[in-house]
Order: sequence, then structure tokens, then C-alpha cells
Amino acid sequence: NAGVTQTPKFQVLKTGQSMTLQCAQDMNHNSMYWYRQDPGMGLRLIYYSASEGTTDKGEVPNGYNVSRLNKREFSLRLESAAPSQTSVYFCASRANWGSGEQYFGPGTRLTVT
Amino acid sequence: GDSVTQMEGPVTLSEEAFLTINCTYTATGYPSLFWYVQYPGEGLQLLLKATKADDKGSNKGFEATYRKETTSFHLEKGSVQVSDSAVYFCALSLIYNQGGKLIFGQGTELSVKP
Repeated sequence: NAGVTQTPKFQVLKTGQSMTLQCAQDMNHNSMYWYRQDPGMGLRLIYYSASEGTTDKGEVPNGYNVSRLNKREFSLRLESAAPSQTSVYFCASRANWGSGEQYFGPGTRLTVT
Repeated sequence: GDSVTQMEGPVTLSEEAFLTINCTYTATGYPSLFWYVQYPGEGLQLLLKATKADDKGSNKGFEATYRKETTSFHLEKGSVQVSDSAVYFCALSLIYNQGGKLIFGQGTELSVKP
């Protein structure tokens, strides 16, 4: 049981390049999330998916797109990277029962130059 | 809107000292409350949780009590260890708010010296 996995761990992009961050969970959770973490700002929600086939915007969706490929996988795409997107990106999934706790992946550290 | 405020860091303590990290929240409704911990270079791990007023969450010697009257969820530990050095995040969740997203405080960095 790997929990939530993310690839890659590190990435450097030039302004204007595109890339996709991959996330997968093996806990059979319905809901999945993408957050970004910036110094002194905690984590902020980019997009979420309440179930397979649905996605919705969070607080900071501009410049990003997502795909819920199946129940396990939820990817985040940057179409044209900008320096403001330099951040650490975390994927999470939420238990289908209980108090709503979320389980996080190890993160992707992205630098855009 | 819904929000979480936690004390600013960094907090530096000696080993075996008492720890308190303050957390207060604003929410329309009855949120679930959480403390997460992040060790250097890693993701967030759930430390403890509470779902209703007067619930006490506890784990690994850490405790926090859901206080509805003061809208607080302060984290405490009686005797910290060097291995507790990390960043601690207070968070809330409301099931009807954007799919039950977590709303985080800004994080408090704890450094424990031997």
C-alpha cells in the first residue's frame, strides 16, 4: 500500500514550457486534490476532483489544468509555465468516510526560470 | 470567509520543554480540525484530528482540544524531543466547501535543540 505517489520529485522548466505532474493513490478514495505550497502561505487549493469524471477549480486555478484519468490518477498540467508557478506541489486524497482527513504525496518541487 | 490563524514561528525550544502552538479558526458551520506535520523535504502527515466540540485529538504525545467557544485548537506536547523539529500546520475542513478542501494556517516551524 503506497498511499499517494507523485512524479517527478524535482523539475526545472524555462518560462513558456509545459509539463504534467502525475499523482496516483491506491486507497480507493473518491476525492483528490492539488495544492501548492509557498513560503509563509500554507497550502492553497488549485483544483480538486470529488469523483471520477469530475473536476472543479479551487482558490488559485489560473495557469493550470487537470485531468482525472480514472479513480486512481489525477494529473496537473502547466500549459505555459511562468516564474510565479515556482512552488512545491502536493497531491492529496480524502477518505470516503470519517472526518475528512486527507493523505498527501511527497510533493514535486518545481522551479521556473 | 473560512480561515485559520496560527502563531508565527520559528519556535525554538530545548529538549524536554513544554510546547504550545496556538491555532484559531473562523468558519461558517461546524468544521473538522486537524494538525499536520511536515518534516524537511517531505509531504504532510496527519498528526491528529477532532470532529466536534470538546473532542481531544492525540497522537505521539501531542494533544489538541476542539474549543468551539473560543474557536481554537491549540497543539500541546509535554516534553518535546529533537525529532519533533518540523513545520506544524493547523487546518480545517468543511465538507460542503469545495469538496471538503483543507484550509491551512501558514505553518509554524519548530526547532528543538539538545
